Amino acid sequence: NAGVTQTPKFQVLKTGQSMTLQCAQDMNHEYMSWYRQDPGMGLRLIHYSVGAGITDQGEVPNGYNVSRSTTEDFPLRLLSAAPSQTSVYFCASSYRLFGGASYEQYFGPGTRLTVT
Amino acid sequence: GENVEQHPSTLSVQEGDSAVIKCTYSDSASNYFPWYKQELGKRPQLIIDIRSNVGEKKDQRIAVTLNKTAKHFSLHITETQPEDSAVYFCAANGNQFYFGTGTSLTVIP
Repeated sequence: NAGVTQTPKFQVLKTGQSMTLQCAQDMNHEYMSWYRQDPGMGLRLIHYSVGAGITDQGEVPNGYNVSRSTTEDFPLRLLSAAPSQTSVYFCASSYRLFGGASYEQYFGPGTRLTVT
Repeated sequence: GENVEQHPSTLSVQEGDSAVIKCTYSDSASNYFPWYKQELGKRPQLIIDIRSNVGEKKDQRIAVTLNKTAKHFSLHITETQPEDSAVYFCAANGNQFYFGTGTSLTVIP
């Protein structure tokens, strides 16, 4: 198993550009989520999904879009990059949020994004 | 929704001493409480977790306790070592995973 993979590892964008951060998992997990991590702010949830075709907003969704067309993939789109979106982005997945045998959440290696 | 608060934000201990990090949560429906360790530049990794039907769980030098009535849970690290230095996050599962803001632990040799 590759676990949770993310691409790219590093990205520099200019203000106003758009891009997609890729996330994939090969563990057949239902629950997937995107976090951003800023110094001193912990992990803040951007969007999450409890299964293919179902997405919902987290704490800081503005400026980001997601879709979940398959169980494996959960891309995060930045619509028009702003310097405030400079951060480290983590994708995570777990078997289920409730009612499952295991709730352990696995994190991808992260994407370090800089917006100039 | 859930609200997870974590204290302290920074903690320094001498090697060999114990470290305790505390978290509180608000949603009584939450039933899973993991702890993650994040080393500099790396991803968070699960170190121990506890479910609401258990009051305490131990794994070698690491233990977690849960008080459902008071809605708080704690991470205990005994006989700390320099490699325990990292940022630790608690979390709770409401309708999504909610994380505390993290505790930066420094173990002084």
